[in-house]
Amino acid sequence: DAGVTQSPTHLIKTRGQHVTLRCSPISGHKSVSWYQQVLGQGPQFIFQYYEKEERGRGNFPDRFSARQFPNYSSELNVNALLLGDSALYLCASSLGTSGGTDTQYFGPGTRLTVL
Amino acid sequence: KNQVEQSPQSLIILEGKNCTLQCNYTVSPFSNLRWYKQDTGRGPVSLTIMTFSENTKSNGRYTATLDADTKQSSLHITASQLSDSASYICVVSVSKAAGNKLTFGGGTRVLVKP
Repeated sequence: DAGVTQSPTHLIKTRGQHVTLRCSPISGHKSVSWYQQVLGQGPQFIFQYYEKEERGRGNFPDRFSARQFPNYSSELNVNALLLGDSALYLCASSLGTSGGTDTQYFGPGTRLTVL
Repeated sequence: KNQVEQSPQSLIILEGKNCTLQCNYTVSPFSNLRWYKQDTGRGPVSLTIMTFSENTKSNGRYTATLDADTKQSSLHITASQLSDSASYICVVSVSKAAGNKLTFGGGTRVLVKP
């Protein structure tokens, strides 16, 4: 069974553009979370979705949005890109049924570079 | 403000030796604490997860401890191997009622030398 997959693996954009990152969770997982990891730092929580509903949001501006589809895959959208948005964007999936204690499985990430 | 602080920032140890990583948190209301291992350029992999009532949990050569009173956790690596070279990240989760948010520490970068 495949693990969490993310696409694309790498992406280069210029300031002001928008980007869409995609994530497919492990089969049977209903929860997807998104994280931003700047080089040399720990990941920062952006969003959590469970059963297509937003269940958590980190301290990110409204330029960041996400959604979860009926097949539990998810998209992260970032508008009006800034240089500071350059980071590794991680997606994690979990069963989502344990009230928050279930293990999250991370994908390989999408490396976004904003020039 | 919810924070997770890890120490040391980086660590070099010789193969076969033991080491202990520290994690202090101010996250509230506490739900659980997790340790992840992250190899360079890859996503984190879960090592342990502990709830309020658990004070120790092992996963092979990795043993995590939790003191919920002092809000401290440690990760002990026994008989280190070259493959243990990675970043180790402490993650604390608030309760479901508070939004299930995860707060990540900055990580401790461990380098195991032969």
